[in-house]
Amino acid sequence: QLQLHESGSGLVKPSQTLSLICAVSGGSISSGGYAWSWIRQPPGKGLEWIGYIYDSGSTYYKPSLKSRVTISADRSKNQFSLNLNSVTAADTAVYYCARYGGSGTYYFDYWGQGTLVTVSS
Amino acid sequence: EIVLTQSPGTLSLSPGERATLSCRASQSVSSTYLAWYQQKPGQAPRLLIFDASSRATGIPDRFSGSGSGTDFTLTISRLEPEDFAVYYCQQYDGTSHFTFGPGTKVDIK
Repeated sequence: QLQLHESGSGLVKPSQTLSLICAVSGGSISSGGYAWSWIRQPPGKGLEWIGYIYDSGSTYYKPSLKSRVTISADRSKNQFSLNLNSVTAADTAVYYCARYGGSGTYYFDYWGQGTLVTVSS
Repeated sequence: EIVLTQSPGTLSLSPGERATLSCRASQSVSSTYLAWYQQKPGQAPRLLIFDASSRATGIPDRFSGSGSGTDFTLTISRLEPEDFAVYYCQQYDGTSHFTFGPGTKVDIK
């Protein structure tokens, strides 16, 4: 059974960089044609797609976040990460990692439990 | 960017009743690109429906999806106590980007 687990700093100061890791178990991020995604949810609000990285290493980001976001993968550790720089209070959210099935499928079928990141001085 | 609008914002119903949730897109979306999720408080979203009408693994048959073009519907035929939650639609725009709708909360009347 595929499992995803987010970890990282729960408190980030304004203007600094938010960094999260998603550890994947029960499957490899390097195979299967899947893409590994980040999605966030501000408290009491809806879901916002951030971006994803394919097993090939190609990345795609939400246009409005593209200038601040980097998603990368560490295949030796079977994990992928999110860096979001120049954060403000508007970046406070629960951050989820999720698997996207890749070409031919257009949905997120496995999700982590989410981790709350608060941006505050 | 394709914008998804969900209605109603909140649906107050009793167990056993039928729930009909709407998702409208600002431009036409391929049925293959439309999915629905259920989210309960403190939990991650769970995939319910993909390709607009296909149930995900383990999803009861009281959940069904339909629609095409710009109008899609999620129907819960008879609400069970565990179905009271927030439901989101999600679309893929064909150019590697995704968006979610704002959600419909189904609560107990």
